Amino acid sequence: GENVEQHPSTLSVQEGDSAVIKCTYSDSASNYFPWYKQELGKRPQLIIDIRSNVGEKKDQRIAVTLNKTAKHFSLHITETQPEDSAVYFCAATPPGQGGKLIFGQGTELSVKP
Amino acid sequence: DTEVTQTPKHLVMGMTNKKSLKCEQHMGHRAMYWYKQKAKKPPELMFVYSYEKLSINESVPSRFSPECPNSSLLNLHLHALQPEDSALYLCASSQDVRVEQYFGPGTRLTVT
Repeated sequence: GENVEQHPSTLSVQEGDSAVIKCTYSDSASNYFPWYKQELGKRPQLIIDIRSNVGEKKDQRIAVTLNKTAKHFSLHITETQPEDSAVYFCAATPPGQGGKLIFGQGTELSVKP
Repeated sequence: DTEVTQTPKHLVMGMTNKKSLKCEQHMGHRAMYWYKQKAKKPPELMFVYSYEKLSINESVPSRFSPECPNSSLLNLHLHALQPEDSALYLCASSQDVRVEQYFGPGTRLTVT
């Protein structure tokens, strides 16, 4: 079955710097890759997603890139702010599994002012 | 209404109690999900309902019993839980099983 590895597990950056979180997946048939942000005590919030027919997607300060050949995708956050501090989860969706999200283990991002 | 709501926010129950968690969405979504999340871990899928029919049960113990009374409501009935079942229980919904899922705020469950 699908397996998603996420790195790093913790990431600390200075305010204004960029942050990059990487995920690799094992099932080449997976076709949908969402990213969720979860602040302490809050719900996971969908922040950006990408489908397998697209290589890159951007929304203001966040972007996601997908390399299907290498089976990895990355989240890029530019001009980080303290409110970006949270745990970020990547996920992959293999087809034909009823919408099951296979999550990475999460990255705890800390943005220091 | 663009949110998934869950009640109660917090629940403390003994191992012999019976309780229920409720989830509601009014976005016209036809897929609804229950997840369990332990601290600092990703959500783990428990059940998926698609068009009000149970489509996935991730080998969840029978002390957890899901119910989908209509397309807007999802319940999780709890009975004879164990302390290790203490966790955040998240509900999610999506237009259908092929698209983005939106999570509710969760119910923080403590089993004593």
